[in-house]
Amino acid sequence: DVKVTQSSRYLVKRTGEKVFLECVQDMDHENMFWYRQDPGLGLRLIYFSYDVKMKEKGDIPEGYSVSREKKERFSLILESASTNQTSMYLCASSFAGTGYNEQFFGPGTRLTVL
Amino acid sequence: DAKTTQPTSMDCAEGRAANLPCNHSTISGNEYVYWYRQIHSQGPQYIIHGLKNNETNEMASLIITEDRKSSTLILPHATLRDTAVYYCIVRERDDKIIFGKGTRLHILP
Repeated sequence: DVKVTQSSRYLVKRTGEKVFLECVQDMDHENMFWYRQDPGLGLRLIYFSYDVKMKEKGDIPEGYSVSREKKERFSLILESASTNQTSMYLCASSFAGTGYNEQFFGPGTRLTVL
Repeated sequence: DAKTTQPTSMDCAEGRAANLPCNHSTISGNEYVYWYRQIHSQGPQYIIHGLKNNETNEMASLIITEDRKSSTLILPHATLRDTAVYYCIVRERDDKIIFGKGTRLHILP
């Protein structure tokens, strides 16, 4: 089974702190994704990556950056956390290619910024 | 904007078939229809996908209309553990998938 793990289930940070959210997948997937989920807004794509050292902006990249130095690991960085970044953050991965590839999701990290 | 329209919520009695509709009237020829669900406090879980033909797996069935403008996810014998938000998604270029607000399915005992 595909396993996508995230470094923390719950995280509390203060405004202005630099925050790292880590995601690791063990199925040699080329694609990795970061989403945030907020009540009433569904899941929104922040960034995604098709390959090592490659990244592309999603729908809401402002205030975030990402790093993919190894194929299995995709990090989301909040350079200076703000209260409006309090949210559930979900990582996902999938195989490359066309058509019907599934995205497998991690359990999520609930981040609170005070 | 999401390319799909789903009802906000639905109820279904335990043991009955749950039929979740999805409208995707602007779907293009190469786009697939995916269904995911998200149980409270968990990440989304893949259920099923299809292009033109109806599909069935151990979790559900997917019925796609001939014109592909709508589809229905069927959970044949709903249980309380099927209570979740169900997302109907049409796949855009490459792997970018836009999640809408989904349908909150309540299974009633």
